[in-house]
Amino acid sequence: DGGITQSPKYLFRKEGQNVTLSCEQNLNHDAMYWYRQDPGQGLRLIYYSQIVNDFQKGDIAEGYSVSREKKESFPLTVTSAQKNPTAFYLCASSRRDSSSYEQYFGPGTRLTVT
Amino acid sequence: GQNIDQPTEMTATEGAIVQINCTYQTSGFNGLFWYQQHAGEAPTFLSYNVLDGLEEKGRFSSFLSRSKGYSYLLLKELQMKDSASYLCAVRDQGNYQLIWGAGTKLIIKP
Repeated sequence: DGGITQSPKYLFRKEGQNVTLSCEQNLNHDAMYWYRQDPGQGLRLIYYSQIVNDFQKGDIAEGYSVSREKKESFPLTVTSAQKNPTAFYLCASSRRDSSSYEQYFGPGTRLTVT
Repeated sequence: GQNIDQPTEMTATEGAIVQINCTYQTSGFNGLFWYQQHAGEAPTFLSYNVLDGLEEKGRFSSFLSRSKGYSYLLLKELQMKDSASYLCAVRDQGNYQLIWGAGTKLIIKP
C-alpha cells in the first residue's frame, strides 16, 4: 500500500533539545511539505520541497530545519530556537506537475516540549 | 492579504443536510480544496473545484463561485461518522502552496 508514514505518533522532549520528526512516502511524489497545526488555527506551512536537494521556507520556518536528500524522505528538525514547539506536525506530499493534484497527509506527530 | 473564513463550529442532526461555507480573499486563485479531518488524525481529501459550479461526489458536493470568492461543502444524509473538522484550502496562483482556513468543526447529534 502506498502512503506517508510519520514517526513517532507522540514525542516528548525537554526544552532546549533539538528533535527530528521523520516523514517517509512511497507514492513517488516529487513535492513534500511540513505543516504545523495548532488549536483553532489553519495549517501553517513550515517548509516545502518540490524536488530532491531543494527546499523553500514556508510562512513559519524560524526555528526549524529540513533536508531532502532522498525523494522518499523529508525529515524536520525542531531546534531549541523554536519558541513554542508544542504542536501537531503534519507531513504531506503531492505530485508536482498539476495544480489539481491533492496533498496526501501522514498521520501526524504530536510533539510536547516541557 | 490572504484570508480564508469558515464558521468555527456547526451542529446538525443525523440524517439531515448541512452546508459549510468558505469565503476567501487571496492574491491569486488556482483551485479550492475541501478536506475532512477527524480529531487527532490526518486530513483526507474530499473535493477540488477550479471552475464555477457544483461538483457532486456521493453524499458530498462542493460548490464554487470565483467571482464571489465563495465555496460551500454540502453533506447529505448525515451519519455519526461525519463528525469531524472540515478544512477549506485555496491554491495560490503560480505555485503549489495551499492557504488553509481554520476549519469548521461539525458535530452530528442523533
